[in-house]
Formats: sequence, C-alpha cells, structure tokens
Amino acid sequence: DAGITQSPRHKVTETGTPVTLRCHQTENHRYMYWYRQDPGHGLRLIHYSYGVKDTDKGEVSDGYSVSRSKTEDFLLTLESATSSQTSVYFCAISVEHNEQFFGPGTRLTVL
Amino acid sequence: GDSVTQMEGPVTLSEEAFLTINCTYTATGYPSLFWYVQYPGEGLQLLLKATKADDKGSNKGFEATYRKETTSFHLEKGSVQVSDSAVYFCALSPSGGYQKVTFGTGTKLQVIP
Repeated sequence: DAGITQSPRHKVTETGTPVTLRCHQTENHRYMYWYRQDPGHGLRLIHYSYGVKDTDKGEVSDGYSVSRSKTEDFLLTLESATSSQTSVYFCAISVEHNEQFFGPGTRLTVL
Repeated sequence: GDSVTQMEGPVTLSEEAFLTINCTYTATGYPSLFWYVQYPGEGLQLLLKATKADDKGSNKGFEATYRKETTSFHLEKGSVQVSDSAVYFCALSPSGGYQKVTFGTGTKLQVIP
C-alpha cells in the first residue's frame, strides 16, 4: 500500500461542466500518473508528473489538464466534460523499475 | 513504439485447473515486465515482475518467465481458486530511469467451483 487516495470515488455530472479529480499520496513519491480505463482499451495514460509543477502529456491528453502544486497532490481537470470522458480514472505512483502502485479509482459518468 | 499483446478473454476455468495467460511484447532493449491483477471495484495491484531476461517472477502461486528470445511473459498457475477470479494485465516499462508503462488490454479470468 503506497498510501494513495482518490476523491471523489464516484461522480455524475452533466456535459459541459468542469470536473476536478484529486489524487493524494502520503509517501513523497516523485512520479505520479493519471490513467483512464475503458473496456477493450486497458489502461491509457492521460498525463503524468515528474515533480512539483512538472507535468507532461500521455497518449490521451486531449480535453484534460493537470496540476501539481505540492508533491502529495496531483489534480486532473476536465475543463468541459463530454460523454466520451465517462470512464474509470486511476491515479498511480512509480517506484524502482517503474513498478506502479494504484489508487482505488474514480468512476465518472458524464450525462 | 512499445506494445503489449495479451490473449483475449474471458477465460473460464474450473477450480484446480491449470492457468496460462499469454503475453507477448514489442520493445527495444531489455524492458521490465509486469503482471498486475485487478479485483472487482479495485485498482490494479502488482502480482509479479521480472527485470531481466530469464528471470522468473512469482507470487501467490503465479509464475511468469521473461523470455527474451520469444518476447514473451506468459502467466501460469498450477491450480486456480475461485478467489483468483479477476482481470489480469501484462505490462512493460523500458529500462533506464523512470519511464512510462505500457499495459495490455487485460484478460478476465473466471474460476467456477
């Protein structure tokens, strides 16, 4: 257990509204990641961070932004949610050999 | 780019049957290889890993051997239990510092009593 929590755990929102998901870790890990999980696609990387204020895009970053103002928190924002962003979102951290530890996930439904 | 291909599921087995889930990869050099497991409603958990060729990762009765010559990392278990029902993901990460991880699409395993 790497002390990763995500909030909220479930959210239902409407198309066009902004949404922010939070990932919090308690063990000072440098690298943090946001993934989305969809049937038939496995996990796809949205954005990742390699330190405070240092972030980069993953393979499915369109429509998402991130921020990391503190080591322990990594925020994912959907500026204007769309139905295609209905998914389960996972936060993760990396340790040696890029072994990853995952949070419990946030189930987001965009109506 | 890097990629991971794993067998399509779902895989349905009777309790105590032998399990194999195939995984092959495409990557340059010598990546680290992983199997993760996801139980319903939870995040992924590392099941086992291998960081160099011919290494065997093992945990909870599961094993996988890093085969460079066949670019494979097949997951095996000699006798599955109902509690092994989950989704299994094969993954790789390039060697050398922190790198992004590439995941397969997952294989759902259902074990029936």
